[in-house]
Amino acid sequence: ETGVTQTPRHLVMGMTNKKSLKCEQHLGHNAMYWYKQSAKKPLELMFVYSLEERVENNSVPSRFSPECPNSSHLFLHLHTLQPEDSALYLCASSLQGAVSGYTFGSGTRLTVV
Amino acid sequence: QQQVKQSPQSLIVQKGGISIINCAYENTAFDYFPWYQQFPGKGPALLIAIRPDVSEKKEGRFTISFNKSAKQFSLHIMDSQPGDSATYFCAASVGGTSYGKLTFGQGTILTVHP
Repeated sequence: ETGVTQTPRHLVMGMTNKKSLKCEQHLGHNAMYWYKQSAKKPLELMFVYSLEERVENNSVPSRFSPECPNSSHLFLHLHTLQPEDSALYLCASSLQGAVSGYTFGSGTRLTVV
Repeated sequence: QQQVKQSPQSLIVQKGGISIINCAYENTAFDYFPWYQQFPGKGPALLIAIRPDVSEKKEGRFTISFNKSAKQFSLHIMDSQPGDSATYFCAASVGGTSYGKLTFGQGTILTVHP
C-alpha cells in the first residue's frame, strides 16, 4: 500500500447509473488529484484540490463531479457516463510546497457498458 | 506548449543491458522533472526526479540526464533486470514543487528479458 487507498478497485456501470469513486490518504498531504489513464494516452489531469478547495478543473465534462469533504478524502461522482469514459481513474496526493512528488493510489478500473 | 513527448513507446532490453527513455518538452517554465514507474494493477510510483539546476542525478541503477538548452531529459537504467519491466512515465511541472499540474509523457513499456 502506498498510503493512498482507492475504492472500489473495479467498477462496471451502465450509462444511466450513478456511482462514486472514493480516495483516502492519511499521509498528511494537503493537495489531492484525480487523473484519468486511458490506453496509449498520457495521464490526463482532471481535478486538483488544494486545502480542500478546487483549484483546477481541466475541462472535464459535468458528468464527472468531484467532492473533497476534508483533506484526507476525495470523491469522484459519476453519472450518465459514456463508453469512452472507460479507463483507469487514479487518485494522487501531495504536500503543497514539498518536493517529494505525488503519491498515487492503485486506481479504479471503470468500465461503462 | 504543455506537452511532454516521450519515446520510445516500447522498449525491449536484455538482462544486464542499459535501458534509455527520452523526453522532450517545450514549456521553459517547467522546473521539476520526475519519472514514475508503474507496474500492472498499480498506480505510478515516483522513481527519481531532477530540477534544471543540475545536469544529472543518480540513484542506484537509475540516472536522469538533463539538457536544459535542448529541453530534453532522459532516464537511464543500468544493468536492467526483469523486475524493472514496467511502464515508465516522464513528467514535468511548474513551480518546483510537487504541488500543481504534472504534465505526463505517453509512457514507455519496458520489457527486460532474462
